[in-house]
Amino acid sequence: DAKTTQPNSMESNEEEPVHLPCNHSTISGTDYIHWYRQLPSQGPEYVIHGLTSNVNNRMASLAIAEDRKSSTLILHRATLRDAAVYYCILRDSGAGSYQLTFGKGTKLSVIP
Amino acid sequence: KAGVTQTPRYLIKTRGQQVTLSCSPISGHRSVSWYQQTPGQGLQFLFEYFSETQRNKGNFPGRFSGRQFSNSRSEMNVSTLELGDSALYLCASSLAPGAGINEQFFGPGTRLTVL
Repeated sequence: DAKTTQPNSMESNEEEPVHLPCNHSTISGTDYIHWYRQLPSQGPEYVIHGLTSNVNNRMASLAIAEDRKSSTLILHRATLRDAAVYYCILRDSGAGSYQLTFGKGTKLSVIP
Repeated sequence: KAGVTQTPRYLIKTRGQQVTLSCSPISGHRSVSWYQQTPGQGLQFLFEYFSETQRNKGNFPGRFSGRQFSNSRSEMNVSTLELGDSALYLCASSLAPGAGINEQFFGPGTRLTVL
């Protein structure tokens, strides 16, 4: 799987929007962009995924650059429960396996 | 719908012993993957099973093995435990492998401590 680059850590104030960036300059045309997060003492959980167009769901929004070399996960109003490590992962839609290759992710701290 | 369950949640073993961890996927999910998480290496893929067949394997020694049963439940085994095997072992299930758009659902993990 192609590699992604994320900042090690970010901080946000509670109830403010958070923009978590991810660079993936070697992304291929069949790679989906997935985001997972891992809350303290829990397993990772799926957040959102997209291919080319921006995506919204109840948890977050995903903004994908036109050239697809970067993307941004947007949490519209950060809560204390959003404090977690966020992972940006590329998944080849044609792959015969569901292996997820996790990087180090971005540790998000939410300040009350 | 019940989530992914893993047993036991915590385990303490000594070097040289072997251990078996269990994972029950979400009902209807046929693909099960295992991951190891350590502070130094982060989350690393161990192996993936679908329809009782190992479809993919990560870069781990042969001491790490697994299997999947006809009801999709999976077990992983680590033989001749080493101190470095201390980790959180996570199981994840999905409807089927290979679909790049499907999400994986993770269990809470089994915390293994090797003394």
